[in-house]
Amino acid sequence: KQEVTQIPAALSVPEGENLVLNCSFTDSAIYNLQWFRQDPGKGLTSLLLIQSSQREQTSGRLNASLDKSSGRSTLYIAASQPGDSATYLCAVSSPADYKLSFGAGTTVTVRA
Amino acid sequence: KAGVTQTPRYLIKTRGQQVTLSCSPISGHRSVSWYQQTPGQGLQFLFEYFSETQRNKGNFPGRFSGRQFSNSRSEMNVSTLELGDSALYLCASSRGTGATTDTQYFGPGTRLTVL
Repeated sequence: KQEVTQIPAALSVPEGENLVLNCSFTDSAIYNLQWFRQDPGKGLTSLLLIQSSQREQTSGRLNASLDKSSGRSTLYIAASQPGDSATYLCAVSSPADYKLSFGAGTTVTVRA
Repeated sequence: KAGVTQTPRYLIKTRGQQVTLSCSPISGHRSVSWYQQTPGQGLQFLFEYFSETQRNKGNFPGRFSGRQFSNSRSEMNVSTLELGDSALYLCASSRGTGATTDTQYFGPGTRLTVL
């Protein structure tokens, strides 16, 4: 069974600082890894999807890396803004489960 | 293009009742998945439908069921509600062959409160 862990559970940074969010998973046999953002009481917004054959994906200020062999992914958010305050979740899809397995998320607060 | 829509957005029910939640995927998407989100358990997979067939099911009791219609719209039903069923229920759709290979697009969720 795929287990996904996100550390830290919460993070508070001043505006302008770069954010580094970590995700680890136990089974390296994956289809892909996705990063999502969730605002309080809302649904999830897809940020980036990295296929298992890829090492990284970039979108604007966001960059996500994937090291499948070590079971790790990192989401970098450059020059953080107060609007980046949200919970960030990573999810892994695996042939063993044939479903998305989510981490518990990292709640980010960017202080103005 | 309209996003994933879920109705109703909020529901209050009492123990023992049943409830039906609805999800309309993005136009052209054929896969619909359902998730339950609670503070204690996080996001847990309920089931996935593709072309009106349930392709995968999570570890939930038989009180949780779903279906998908020919237009890809999906419903989930929870019978004999329990207090622990209080949660945010999220629906996600994807374009191609299923939840494991494509980007998942989530709806805003239905907040269910069981009293």
